[in-house]
Amino acid sequence: AQRVTQPEKLLSVFKGAPVELKCNYSYSGSPELFWYVQYSRQRLQLLLRHISRESIKGFTADLNKGETSFHLKKPFAQEEDSAMYYCARVEGAQKLVFGQGTRLTINP
Amino acid sequence: DAGVTQSPTHLIKTRGQQVTLRCSPISGHKSVSWYQQVLGQGPQFIFQYYEKEERGRGNFPDRFSARQFPNYSSELNVNALLLGDSALYLCASSYAGKNTEAFFGQGTRLTVV
Repeated sequence: AQRVTQPEKLLSVFKGAPVELKCNYSYSGSPELFWYVQYSRQRLQLLLRHISRESIKGFTADLNKGETSFHLKKPFAQEEDSAMYYCARVEGAQKLVFGQGTRLTINP
Repeated sequence: DAGVTQSPTHLIKTRGQQVTLRCSPISGHKSVSWYQQVLGQGPQFIFQYYEKEERGRGNFPDRFSARQFPNYSSELNVNALLLGDSALYLCASSYAGKNTEAFFGQGTRLTVV
């Protein structure tokens, strides 16, 4: 079975500092990878996907097949970025395999 | 659009009982998936239904079952509840096919006592 690993359960940075949330996946050809975010008292929602190669809310994520990683980055953290972040990949038709999540806290 | 709606929002059941959770997808979405999220873990896939047929099943015992209705809404049933079934159950809907975004509901918080 394919696996997604997020090594940090908790990450705390100061406002304005760079942020990097790590995600590694088990090797398997060409993966379809996503970052989902859950803000306090809101539902889980898609932040970005690797195939679109876009920047959402200042976040970017680059697929590194050599390191089997899909780290999420933002150069300057904002307080509203505090949330739970999940890295996920598609397995089969539409099954999502999630990592355990990283709780990001932005300190003022 | 109200988004994906799930009912009930909270539920308390006793060990050995049965429970039915409900999900209404976004209008036009034909695929519904169910996930279990235990505290401190990421969501874990249980089932996917597309056009009323089961298209995928996760590593869950036969006590878990689901179905999809002609209007694409879905039910998740869990029989003979165990304490370990206590979790947040998430429903996600998507239009169809690969590379389509999954939209999640708020979830049903099930507590088994």
